Amino acid sequence: DTAVSQTPKYLVTQMGNDKSIKCEQNLGHDTMYWYKQDSKKFLKIMFSYNNKELIINETVPNRFSPKSPDKAHLNLHINSLELGDSAVYFCASSPGGYGLADTQYFGPGTRLTVL
Amino acid sequence: RKEVEQDPGPFNVPEGATVAFNCTYSNSASQSFFWYRQDCRKEPKLLMSVYSSGNEDGRFTAQLNRASQYISLLIRDSKLSDSATYLCVVISSASGGSYIPTFGRGTSLIVHP
Repeated sequence: DTAVSQTPKYLVTQMGNDKSIKCEQNLGHDTMYWYKQDSKKFLKIMFSYNNKELIINETVPNRFSPKSPDKAHLNLHINSLELGDSAVYFCASSPGGYGLADTQYFGPGTRLTVL
Repeated sequence: RKEVEQDPGPFNVPEGATVAFNCTYSNSASQSFFWYRQDCRKEPKLLMSVYSSGNEDGRFTAQLNRASQYISLLIRDSKLSDSATYLCVVISSASGGSYIPTFGRGTSLIVHP
């Protein structure tokens, strides 16, 4: 069984489109994250949710909107896609509340290419 | 100054070599430290946590130096399968009682026959 899953794995789309990436974890963890890894391989946190509550919101354009319908799911919706949004987006989860310092488990990533 | 800094490498070593990586962090109040491993086009996976007293897991040893604000990873008897990027992660407290993880850019290791 996959612990943290993301769909789709690959996403190719035109500038200006709106797209969503879904993430699900079956580990029973309280905290979930979205990261962006750019072409230089720098992994940067975007958002974190604890039990459906937004707890970390880094300086991300408001075209990016996370949604957590329940603590096992954290989706990412991106409006008006731009070339600079091309990257690999990783979802992750960790057991502790409020992102307490513990191990993160990553999904396989979604490779987004904006043309 | 970047919050978490790593030498990107690549470190190119023969099988059997010992190799060490350092990672420096700027926030003296950082609370937890980890090393993750990321293979090409894969997700990061936890390699080991880093404790003040130092910890060892087989061929891997991690150390934390709070005074100088760096953590290190030592790999002994390198294997071909150790080739990967090694990411340093530092977790610091943020507003609202949450904790924010900051990743370094990673150090690339290539082990050759």
